[in-house]
Parts: sequence; C-alpha cells; structure tokens
Amino acid sequence: DTAVSQTPKYLVTQMGNDKSIKCEQNLGHDTMYWYKQDSKKFLKIMFSYNNKELIINETVPNRFSPKSPDKAHLNLHINSLELGDSAVYFCASSPRAGGRYEQYFGPGTRLTVT
Amino acid sequence: KQEVTQIPAALSVPEGENLVLNCSFTDSAIYNLQWFRQDPGKGLTSLLLIQSSQREQTSGRLNASLDKSSGRSTLYIAASQPGDSATYLCAVSTTSGTYKYIFGTGTRLKVLA
Repeated sequence: DTAVSQTPKYLVTQMGNDKSIKCEQNLGHDTMYWYKQDSKKFLKIMFSYNNKELIINETVPNRFSPKSPDKAHLNLHINSLELGDSAVYFCASSPRAGGRYEQYFGPGTRLTVT
Repeated sequence: KQEVTQIPAALSVPEGENLVLNCSFTDSAIYNLQWFRQDPGKGLTSLLLIQSSQREQTSGRLNASLDKSSGRSTLYIAASQPGDSATYLCAVSTTSGTYKYIFGTGTRLKVLA
C-alpha cells in the first residue's frame, strides 16, 4: 500500500506551458505539504494545507497554485513554466499541523523545463 | 531565522565501521527533529523523530541524539553496511510563526564493500 503517492513521476515540458502535479495520501492525515528540492538537493517548503485550508504559503511565485479538493489530496498547478522551475517536487503529509508530528513523503515528481 | 547545517557534506567509510552524522541548528526553539534517508531518485524515508523533550531515539542500528540547548543532533549508525549508502537529511520543526520543517543540506554517505 502506497502511503503518499504522486503523479506523474517525471514531467518534461517547454517553457511557457501550464502543468499540474497530483498528490494523494491514504494515511488519514489532516495536513499535506509541497516541497521543492533544487539541483543542490536543498529541500524547502512551499505550501501546507490542513483539512483543505491553506496554512503555510512561503515566498513562492503566484504562478504556483495549490489546490486541496479534500484532505487526502493536494495538487500543484504551475502556470507559465520557467527554466528555474526545474526541480524535484515532493508531497508530504502528517497526522496534524503544528510541527509536532512525523512527516511522510511521496516519491517525488522530477520536473524538467526546456 | 532558523538555519540547519549538516557536516560533513559527504562521507565514505568501509563496511562495518561505526559512524556519526552531525546536524546543527541555530534556534533552539523547536518542537522536534526528524532524520530522513533519501536514496538516489527516490523520496524521503523517515528514520527517527526526536521530540524536543527527548534526548535520544533508537531504531535498530540507528541512534539519534538531541541536545536542544547547544543546537545539535547526531545520527549514529552502527556496523555500517553498503545498503546504508544514501543521503541523510535532518529537519527541525519551528515553534515560532507558522509551524514548518526546516531541512539541512544533507550528508551523502557511501559505505564501501
């Protein structure tokens, strides 16, 4: 059973396109996250949702728009893709918000913008 | 602003050696510290979670310690094996502002057979 799953695993697209990445967790967790891991392997939080409500919104270009249709799903839509958006995007979940809880990560989506 | 540093950035050891990975953080006001393992091209696997009130956690050959006052954590791996080769990341969760995890840059470990 996959706890946190992401689709697609790989995404290659051209500059200017719009793309979406999907994430689902079957752990019954309330909180979900999007992280970006750059080419130097540095992992940084982008967004967090708790029970479908946005609770963390880091300094991310507004071309990035997360959406949580229910607490088991968190999608990331990216408009007008740029070369600098190339990275690995990880989805994660935790039982609740508040920083006290263990985080569980998905396998990542490697986005390449050409 | 919380900053997390991991030293060394890379480490190669022969199989069977005991080793220590270091993680330091600048703000001691944390909820917990979590150690992860990342294999090439894969996601993060949680290894150990230490709450701020705890001093250490153990799981099999892994032992993680936390000294909140000095802003340090260590991950001890006993009797290392080639299968331990991976990047090890530590992350601290902040208590100020929005609660989130701040990650270190990782230690890339290679255990030689």
